[in-house]
Amino acid sequence: QVQLQESGPGLVKPSETLSLTCAVSGYSITSGYYWGWIRQPPGKGLEWIGSIHYSGSTSYNPSLKSRVTISVDTSNNQFSLRLTSVTAADPAVYYCARLPHCPGGNCHHGGLYFDIWGLGALVTVSS
Amino acid sequence: QSALTQPASVSGSPGQSITISCTGTSSDVGAYNFVSWYQQHPGKAPKLMISNVSYRPSWSSYRFSGSKSGNTASLTISGLQAEDEANYYCSSYTTSSTLVFGGGTKLTVL
Repeated sequence: QVQLQESGPGLVKPSETLSLTCAVSGYSITSGYYWGWIRQPPGKGLEWIGSIHYSGSTSYNPSLKSRVTISVDTSNNQFSLRLTSVTAADPAVYYCARLPHCPGGNCHHGGLYFDIWGLGALVTVSS
Repeated sequence: QSALTQPASVSGSPGQSITISCTGTSSDVGAYNFVSWYQQHPGKAPKLMISNVSYRPSWSSYRFSGSKSGNTASLTISGLQAEDEANYYCSSYTTSSTLVFGGGTKLTVL
């Protein structure tokens, strides 16, 4: 059974960097799929942040691209999110998820949909 | 990229059918058959209900179905049950190799 679990500081100061990790169990990251991050501000909808393949190939939301880095740690079967220069617009529940990308053998960069999700991690921004 | 357009809310009585629309452009919904739908109950993580326009994963009830025409995709829930009351989000792959969500639709079971 594949499970994803987010972890990291729940409180970040304005202008500092938000860092979260997603630990994957029950499946090896190097076996395939893209792995991604999604966030949801309180009371609002979902926003895709970006995705990564174990090979290092990434795809980012254009609106966040200048501040986001997603990386993969194959030795620990996990991947991470860094969001720099956080502001009052960045508090949210941050989810990690798995993304299939090769339906019928035709592969697509970045992943196509989110089939397995973590429980989410709430991040607050405050000094 | 702009969010896909969904109605803010829909409602229906138990046993009835409802449809939620998701309108995009020729660069996302209209470009590929890679529209997905997610159910989210309050305080919970989203759950995949439909992928690739109309494919149901094993955990998704047969009462959920998806379709697409042009730049608009639709999610239909038949035989409404109280447990279906939740927020629903559509998502689409885009020609820029990115993903975009809809704003979400709150389903109320009367």
